[in-house]
Amino acid sequence: RKEVEQDPGPFNVPEGATVAFNCTYSNSASQSFFWYRQDCRKEPKLLMSVYSSGNEDGRFTAQLNRASQYISLLIRDSKLSDSATYLCVVNRYNDYKLSFGAGTTVTVRA
Amino acid sequence: DGGITQSPKYLFRKEGQNVTLSCEQNLNHDAMYWYRQDPGQGLRLIYYSQIVNDFQKGDIAEGYSVSREKKESFPLTVTSAQKNPTAFYLCASSISRGENIQYFGAGTRLSVL
Repeated sequence: RKEVEQDPGPFNVPEGATVAFNCTYSNSASQSFFWYRQDCRKEPKLLMSVYSSGNEDGRFTAQLNRASQYISLLIRDSKLSDSATYLCVVNRYNDYKLSFGAGTTVTVRA
Repeated sequence: DGGITQSPKYLFRKEGQNVTLSCEQNLNHDAMYWYRQDPGQGLRLIYYSQIVNDFQKGDIAEGYSVSREKKESFPLTVTSAQKNPTAFYLCASSISRGENIQYFGAGTRLSVL
């Protein structure tokens, strides 16, 4: 079983729509969770950390469900510029190494 | 202007050749990492270093080597023993404590001639 699994998509949504997707992780002892954004042929960039209480950054909302071992990302009022691959990232227990999902591709159309 | 600089952006390797990818950071980060990304796959850890003059193998270290002689620099050599080197190589750094958020360079695309 992969350490981090994501639905690869693609999720094709119209501008202004809401899109949400999850990622599951296998290590129940993981402590740090992140969403990174990666544009085509570019480096990943941190979108947001994910906290137990859930957190919001503008149109983006991240949730963590430790019991079911998944994190989610919701994008409201989608913009064309939100088109990207979103990487789910989880730390390995007691370790500074990170495990990366293969990414969920979102395409926002006009 | 702080950040992580990788060079070159594109690199071509001939059969039997070793090539070295450069990674320099001016963020004063303690930890540095090398990842490989193949299409449709997550990033895979090649090597990492938490302090100068020390580094550890990641998940796919075979065919690669690194050095960490300076805090700012963590070059990766792709040796001729790496039979499938074509990939997107990403260097990252972090402060190595707390959340350990990693920041990435722009990457090097390596292809085999």
